[in-house]
Amino acid sequence: KQEVTQIPAALSVPEGENLVLNCSFTDSAIYNLQWFRQDPGKGLTSLLLIQSSQREQTSGRLNASLDKSSGRSTLYIAASQPGDSATYLCAAEFSSWGKFQFGAGTQVVVTP
Amino acid sequence: DAGITQSPRHKVTETGTPVTLRCHQTENHRYMYWYRQDPGHGLRLIHYSYGVKDTDKGEVSDGYSVSRSKTEDFLLTLESATSSQTSVYFCAIRGTGGAGANVLTFGAGSRLTVL
Repeated sequence: KQEVTQIPAALSVPEGENLVLNCSFTDSAIYNLQWFRQDPGKGLTSLLLIQSSQREQTSGRLNASLDKSSGRSTLYIAASQPGDSATYLCAAEFSSWGKFQFGAGTQVVVTP
Repeated sequence: DAGITQSPRHKVTETGTPVTLRCHQTENHRYMYWYRQDPGHGLRLIHYSYGVKDTDKGEVSDGYSVSRSKTEDFLLTLESATSSQTSVYFCAIRGTGGAGANVLTFGAGSRLTVL
């Protein structure tokens, strides 16, 4: 069974510290991987998408890497701010069939 | 949210009653998805569609049916709602072409409570 795991489930950091969020997947035949942000009571907002042919993607303070051989993706958020507090989820598409497998998410709290 | 509308946003119903949730998109995307989100389980795929009248089951499809008679609408039906179907339901579309290709965009969610 193809699985996606996010550890830790929760994380608290002081403002200004860099955030490192991990996503592991069991099948190296990944088609693409996406990172999302979810605020309480809200839907998911796409942050970054990495295609299987790419090693990383960047958007502002966010950088996501993809290592298919080790089954890992990492989301880096530089110089964290209280507004970065949210739950971050990753989702992997293991084929071009169109189905995505989600991790359970990491809940992040950035303290002022 | 990027051309996706879910209705109703909130619904309370009784066990045994039928419920239909609607997802409407304005961007003519081929792929549409229904997920449910529950504490401790994360997001789980119920059904998805890859075109008009083309649908397939996800990992938690029991008790749910879907229909897609038009590109823009994807309906999720609970034929006889049970308390275990109390959840937040999210619809999503998959972008095609350009910078948004393959990006999943989610609706705001529909909170369903089955008493």
